[in-house]
Amino acid sequence: EDQVTQSPEALRLQEGESSSLNCSYTVSGLRGLFWYRQDPGKGPEFLFTLYSAGEEKEKERLKATLTKKESFLHITAPKPEDSATYLCAVQAADAGGTSYGKLTFGQGTILTVHP
Amino acid sequence: SQTIHQWPATLVQPVGSPLSLECTVEGTSNPNLYWYRQAAGRGLQLLFYSVGIGQISSEVPQNLSASRPQDRQFILSSKKLLLSDSGFYLCAWRGTAGNTIYFGEGSWLTVV
Repeated sequence: EDQVTQSPEALRLQEGESSSLNCSYTVSGLRGLFWYRQDPGKGPEFLFTLYSAGEEKEKERLKATLTKKESFLHITAPKPEDSATYLCAVQAADAGGTSYGKLTFGQGTILTVHP
Repeated sequence: SQTIHQWPATLVQPVGSPLSLECTVEGTSNPNLYWYRQAAGRGLQLLFYSVGIGQISSEVPQNLSASRPQDRQFILSSKKLLLSDSGFYLCAWRGTAGNTIYFGEGSWLTVV
């Protein structure tokens, strides 16, 4: 069974204080690892997809990295507007080798950035 | 560009009443469609997915059902709601050319 564990559950930072969020996963046949940002009362907003170990992607103050067992979301010099819940999800190949795009999510990390 | 619409945004329903949540996607053809539920504002659980008209797969046993009457329309239903059906319901889609799944704005359901 695919599993995703995110840590910490909540993270409080001061503006400008860089840090990282962790996503540990177990999956048979990883098709992709996804990061989403979710604001309160809204649907998740897509950030990144990583496909293979060693891959890195960046967007503004965010950088996502991937190993064979975990992914990190690095936040450099965060601002209050970066406050949100960050969700990690994995997509695995189905038994027949196909992928219907089903995602298994972690519980998320609630990030709060204080000015 | 592609957009996804989901409605109603919020609803309060009594126990035992029926439910219908609707979702439509614009700007794409033959998308994969999904219904997720999110409890307590945290992780999402996949409820149903569909790879084509009339094709529905259920991921968890529950009091809900889904239908796809048109290519870009996905409906989540219940004949009789339970208190445990309360939550945040999210519709999502994936195009045929890509791997990314995009979410709608969600529907808050409170069963009282």
